[in-house]
Amino acid sequence: GAVVSQHPSWVICKSGTSVKIECRSLDFQATTMFWYRQFPKQSLMLMATSNEGSKATYEQGVEKDKFLINHASLTLSTLTVTSAHPEDSSFYICSAQQGPINQPQHFGDGTRLSIL
Amino acid sequence: SQQGEEDPQALSIQEGENATMNCSYKTSINNLQWYRQNSGRGLVHLILIRSNEREKHSGRLRVTLDTSKKSSSLLITASRAADTASYFCATALTGGFKTIFGAGTRLFVKA
Repeated sequence: GAVVSQHPSWVICKSGTSVKIECRSLDFQATTMFWYRQFPKQSLMLMATSNEGSKATYEQGVEKDKFLINHASLTLSTLTVTSAHPEDSSFYICSAQQGPINQPQHFGDGTRLSIL
Repeated sequence: SQQGEEDPQALSIQEGENATMNCSYKTSINNLQWYRQNSGRGLVHLILIRSNEREKHSGRLRVTLDTSKKSSSLLITASRAADTASYFCATALTGGFKTIFGAGTRLFVKA
């Protein structure tokens, strides 16, 4: 149980393109979803926290207009990287949490984004 | 700086040996979690230990928590090549709404 599906797993696109990444909880309802960015051989950097039906809470230094997060239902959150540039190339991972806060997170398999 | 810091940063051992990873944190926590990440994949939750617990076991995993020292350790016994991965501790802060991940320990188990 507690499966999180993240798509796509790999994206290569030209600079200036907008890219949408989907994160779905397949067998549970996620009260909260998280979006992380991870650089090679480094830890996860939390970008934003989103709850269904409300605006995402962004971490300091993360541009809201650059990284658009939509959490339309209890099983789906999307991250759109708008007008992507090479410096946005990274590994993006989502996670979903069910029930009370501070419980374990269930992670998707990540999306490797490469901007040319 | 990060809430959770781990050492060693990297660890290389032979199959069958035990692997110990340590995590230190700075502020009061609700619980501490350990995750594993295989290269290029998402994280998998391994074990959660609450702030009022001192030790927890799950299969070949043993986690300890010392809140007075603000530290935790993850012990993997009788390691296997398949245990090769990065291991992260994550702290759920008291009164907080998010979990903060440490820098991770890269474990390499040689067959």
